[in-house]
Amino acid sequence: GDSVTQMEGPVTLSEEAFLTINCTYTATGYPSLFWYVQYPGEGLQLLLKATKADDKGSNKGFEATYRKETTSFHLEKGSVQVSDSAVYFCALSDRGGSQGNLIFGKGTKLSVKP
Amino acid sequence: DAGVIQSPRHEVTEMGQEVTLRCKPISGHDYLFWYRQTMMRGLELLIYFNNNVPIDDSGMPEDRFSAKMPNASFSTLKIQPSEPRDSAVYFCASSWTSGRADTQYFGPGTRLTVL
Repeated sequence: GDSVTQMEGPVTLSEEAFLTINCTYTATGYPSLFWYVQYPGEGLQLLLKATKADDKGSNKGFEATYRKETTSFHLEKGSVQVSDSAVYFCALSDRGGSQGNLIFGKGTKLSVKP
Repeated sequence: DAGVIQSPRHEVTEMGQEVTLRCKPISGHDYLFWYRQTMMRGLELLIYFNNNVPIDDSGMPEDRFSAKMPNASFSTLKIQPSEPRDSAVYFCASSWTSGRADTQYFGPGTRLTVL
């Protein structure tokens, strides 16, 4: 079945460092891909998404490009801030045009130190 | 928009007691999802509804869990009887059908502790 694999955490970076969180997927169809972020004590919220190959999703300085050839959707940010400390989830949705559930990776905890 | 509303935010109960979690989705959304999050198992989909009808409940752990959606603005997740292994954060999410890439909007979660 469909699945998402993302890098194990936790990831600890200093402020202004470059961030990459790897995400790869397995899907039989043509999934849409998402990054969700969960701040401490809160629910998940959408960070960015991409619906087809070569699309780039971006938000709040974060970017991810849908790479069909490598089945990847890596999350990047050029300069992280302390406020980016959170758990990041990669997810896919593949229901061939109808709404279905999202399949989430296990999450990667990011801690940014001042 | 008020977002997805869940209640209670925290629930502490004793083993064997009935627990009811509540969710109010965003107005106009026609999909509602219930998730459970634990350190060991991560985020798991329990059940989801479309237009108040359960579509997939294959994630419901066992018969002790049940979910209902009596109308478009309210859903419940009930655990009876509760067990310590049910301790987790339970999230409700809703979305609106407009294509394949619909965004799910999550509530703040209910942290359940079963003693």
